[in-house]
Amino acid sequence: DAKTTQPTSMDCAEGRAANLPCNHSTISGNEYVYWYRQIHSQGPQYIIHGLKNNETNEMASLIITEDRKSSTLILPHATLRDTAVYYCIVRGYNTNAGKSTFGDGTTLTVKP
Amino acid sequence: GAVVSQHPSWVICKSGTSVKIECRSLDFQATTMFWYRQFPKQSLMLMATSNEGSKATYEQGVEKDKFLINHASLTLSTLTVTSAHPEDSSFYICSAREERGNQETQYFGPGTRLLVL
Repeated sequence: DAKTTQPTSMDCAEGRAANLPCNHSTISGNEYVYWYRQIHSQGPQYIIHGLKNNETNEMASLIITEDRKSSTLILPHATLRDTAVYYCIVRGYNTNAGKSTFGDGTTLTVKP
Repeated sequence: GAVVSQHPSWVICKSGTSVKIECRSLDFQATTMFWYRQFPKQSLMLMATSNEGSKATYEQGVEKDKFLINHASLTLSTLTVTSAHPEDSSFYICSAREERGNQETQYFGPGTRLLVL
């Protein structure tokens, strides 16, 4: 699976948009970008995933650059409950047995 | 999203005993489940891949005889920590893989916190 690079930490004001970047310059054509988050002492929560096109769901939006070498997760109106570690993972369907490799992620702190 | 449960949510045991952790996919069938371990202030580390009806595949450095994995059905995988020792104290998390067409998503359980005294 392609390696990802994320900033160690970010702050965001409550109510503002949180934009979390992820670099995945070695991504292959059949690999998807997945985002998960882990709130303290809980299991990771699936947020969103995409291949080429931008995606949006009730939790977030995922913007993938045209060359697919980077992406941004957008939480449109961050709340205090969005404080968590956010993981960007690149994974191909059925490649490497579907295993997810977790890096250190970005610790997002939403401040009042 | 899909729901994955784990039981128990936490367990305290004496050194030398064995502990079984269950992982269930509640609203979908999962031919593949994964087991992770997370130490404080660290990221998740994959321990093994659990395949329904076949043997688990362990990551390098993970002792298969110590961490027994059984994937007896499409909705249940179990991890047994045999002869647990204090260094096995950790947060154990499972994930279940949901496949739809040529896409797949993995959903994680809430984790099981193990403390070995």
